[in-house]
Amino acid sequence: NAGVTQTPKFQVLKTGQSMTLQCAQDMNHEYMSWYRQDPGMGLRLIHYSVGAGITDQGEVPNGYNVSRSTTEDFPLRLLSAAPSQTSVYFCASRQTLTGRSNEKLFFGSGTQLSVL
Amino acid sequence: GESVGLHLPTLSVQEGDNSIINCAYSNSASDYFIWYKQESGKGPQFIIDIRSNMDKRQGQRVTVLLNKTVKHLSLQIAATQPGDSAVYFCAENAGGTSYGKLTFGQGTILTVHP
Repeated sequence: NAGVTQTPKFQVLKTGQSMTLQCAQDMNHEYMSWYRQDPGMGLRLIHYSVGAGITDQGEVPNGYNVSRSTTEDFPLRLLSAAPSQTSVYFCASRQTLTGRSNEKLFFGSGTQLSVL
Repeated sequence: GESVGLHLPTLSVQEGDNSIINCAYSNSASDYFIWYKQESGKGPQFIIDIRSNMDKRQGQRVTVLLNKTVKHLSLQIAATQPGDSAVYFCAENAGGTSYGKLTFGQGTILTVHP
């Protein structure tokens, strides 16, 4: 099992450029999410999805768009990159939505994004 | 200990010692807590979790303690090894409308000296 796969691992953008961070999971997880990680601030939730066709905002959604057309994929789009979006981005998924017995998130290896 | 704040706490221990990493949480409605380990350049890895109806849970070399009265969580690592050096995060899930959304602390840096 590959688990949660993120691409690319590194990316440098100029202010105003757009790009898509890719995330795919092969565990048939219903729930997928995107976090950003900044020094001294832990992980903050950007957007999440509870299933194909369903997305919602997290704590810091501004400047980011998501879509969930399939169970496996959950891309994160930056429409017009800004220096404040320089961060490390993690995609994460979890197994069950309705059961409370298993809530742990499985994380990808991250994408380090620099916006100049 | 770890909490919402400006500085990343650090803990330095000698190999073989026991380590205790602390975490204060603020939401009294949180009913699920989890610890992650993050090594440099990698994503967070699950260590252990605990529900609010428990006050202690043990894994392999790790124990999580939950004190709901003072809203405090701790991770104990027995016989700490150099490979345990990493950033450790606690996270909480308040359930209800925030079901499935984990809120993370800022992390604690653990350094294990051989």
